[in-house]
Amino acid sequence: QVQLVQSESELKKPGASVKVSCKASGYIFSSYAINWVRQAPGQGLEWMGWINTKTGNPTYDQGFTGRFVFSLDTSVSTAYLQISSLKAEDTAVYYCAKLGNDGLTDDCWGQGTQVTVSS
Amino acid sequence: SSELTQDPAVSVALGQTVRITCQGDNLRSYYASWYRQRPGQAPVLVIYGKNNRPSGIPDRFSGSSSGDKASLTITGAQAEDEADYYCNFRDSSRNHVFGTGTKVTVL
Repeated sequence: QVQLVQSESELKKPGASVKVSCKASGYIFSSYAINWVRQAPGQGLEWMGWINTKTGNPTYDQGFTGRFVFSLDTSVSTAYLQISSLKAEDTAVYYCAKLGNDGLTDDCWGQGTQVTVSS
Repeated sequence: SSELTQDPAVSVALGQTVRITCQGDNLRSYYASWYRQRPGQAPVLVIYGKNNRPSGIPDRFSGSSSGDKASLTITGAQAEDEADYYCNFRDSSRNHVFGTGTKVTVL
């Protein structure tokens, strides 16, 4: 079945970097874009951007430029989110989600990766 | 504006009907989709397009829209429907926008 499995929780110090992985299975990875979504503690869902899994071209929403990088390793059907120069306000659960056939909705989500930034 | 506004919280008696609304200018041009997020879990798509349910979503969930408002209706709410619900649309530039979220409590 279609599945996205994300990497485990991370605890990082301010200023460090983190790389979250999202491994896809059960479908042709390059056929559907991957979206990234952030959820800060007690807050709603916030779309960060998406990556074209055919071309590797990323698109970042406002507020997620500079320190945030989306990348792929198509040989292992995996998408990555890297955040550099971590700040306390980056503490959140990060989700990857697969774009559906309609091109408008996310029909499969990863389980989420908790990233905690604390000294 | 690309904002989507939802009521923060609604409650419904077990077995009764609840409607969750989502308002935004862009909903005049785009259908909203709806996601359910149970505590500690990832979101799950429950309604998309005009009124479509993914496989596995019960038919007590339905969607509608009028003007700048979209609605998700749960007819005969069950205890397992207690969750946060988010509306969403994706515009022509492929940008997603999520609504502010509605907490549904089943009494």
